[in-house]
Amino acid sequence: KNQVEQSPQSLIILEGKNCTLQCNYTVSPFSNLRWYKQDTGRGPVSLTIMTFSENTKSNGRYTATLDADTKQSSLHITASQLSDSASYICVVSANSWGKLQFGAGTQVVVTP
Amino acid sequence: EAGVTQFPSHSVIEKGQTVTLRCDPISGHDNLYWYRRVMGKEIKFLLHFVKESKQDESGMPNNRFLAERTGGTYSTLKVQPAELEDSGVYFCASSRGGGLSYEQYFGPGTRLTVT
Repeated sequence: KNQVEQSPQSLIILEGKNCTLQCNYTVSPFSNLRWYKQDTGRGPVSLTIMTFSENTKSNGRYTATLDADTKQSSLHITASQLSDSASYICVVSANSWGKLQFGAGTQVVVTP
Repeated sequence: EAGVTQFPSHSVIEKGQTVTLRCDPISGHDNLYWYRRVMGKEIKFLLHFVKESKQDESGMPNNRFLAERTGGTYSTLKVQPAELEDSGVYFCASSRGGGLSYEQYFGPGTRLTVT
């Protein structure tokens, strides 16, 4: 069983609307949590990195939250754009050396 | 600054053949990682180099996979002999350091199809 679970598996939203993606993890010990954006045919690109002491971090229209007590994270996309269509992957690391544990991703489609 | 590059972008081989994937990290990045995503599954860690040394190879599936990083620059991942279940996308990533403050930059991946 994957130790990083994401929901929903996919979603379709209208351009300009907001959406929130969820990530639950059981990875222990916990070092940091990252959100990546992966466009079709490309490698993942980092959006945010948070340690256990951080509970929110923003990168433009992307805002990630982290609750290390409940082991939950969310990624909020504000005022979605067509270019936001991609897979969003939650990634958790148990150590600082970079061994990453990936969720299966949420496929987001933004329609005009 | 050039990003992480991988070669080839696609490879189709028959079961039992050998394939070698190459990764060129960002210049100056001592840390290099290999990952792979098989169909319908999440991306999984394979191994981690620090310069030319293997820091962690706990994700390598079996001894048909051999990774090298001679000279601490580019890396190769050889699959010999390839099996059907090896099909997937192989990603390489690099980072300047190994701590959590160091971003991992991913290449575009090599799509491997074993028939």
